[in-house]
Amino acid sequence: QKEVEQDPGPLSVPEGAIVSLNCTYSNSAFQYFMWYRQYSRKGPELLMYTYSSGNKEDGRFTAQVDKSSKYISLFIRDSQPSDSATYLCAMRVLYNQGGKLIFGQGTELSVKP
Amino acid sequence: GAVVSQHPSWVICKSGTSVKIECRSLDFQATTMFWYRQFPKQSLMLMATSNEGSKATYEQGVEKDKFLINHASLTLSTLTVTSAHPEDSSFYICSARAVGGQETQYFGPGTRLLVL
Repeated sequence: QKEVEQDPGPLSVPEGAIVSLNCTYSNSAFQYFMWYRQYSRKGPELLMYTYSSGNKEDGRFTAQVDKSSKYISLFIRDSQPSDSATYLCAMRVLYNQGGKLIFGQGTELSVKP
Repeated sequence: GAVVSQHPSWVICKSGTSVKIECRSLDFQATTMFWYRQFPKQSLMLMATSNEGSKATYEQGVEKDKFLINHASLTLSTLTVTSAHPEDSSFYICSARAVGGQETQYFGPGTRLLVL
């Protein structure tokens, strides 16, 4: 079993829809949780960063962490065609060798006009 | 802020030659830099962790003599693919973690390597 599981999609939604992206994990020691967006042939771009459980909102993006269920989510409101990309969840423990991140497989999202 | 650059953005080389890729943190100092490899439609695979002034830590299965990493300063790390072969063709991405910054990584734009 992988430490971090993420549905690879692809996920296709119409413009304006609410998108829900999810990851589950098995290591209860994970404390830092991140979502990255990666456009084709580009490096990942940090979208959201949360520590421990709870919600965090930034514009149209909301990140949720439920440590009791070992489940994290990223919600995108009013999705736009420019949101079409691959979304990667990543996480790490509090203390480890230099801050190594464990990534999910990535979910490919397509927002249709 | 938190900009990471990579050079070159793409490179084509002949089999048997060596290729050096630079990773720079432009507006912050990075104690730790990471090198990843990514195949099409797959997630990032961590190759090694690079700490300024010390030897890199390689992930299991990554040949340290083939992928040479040097982290000479707090803003520069280099990855040299030695004696490259076609199977080394991939997208190489670096990331950097800021000194005293948040516990996250900022990624470079990636370098696409094609070995003929």
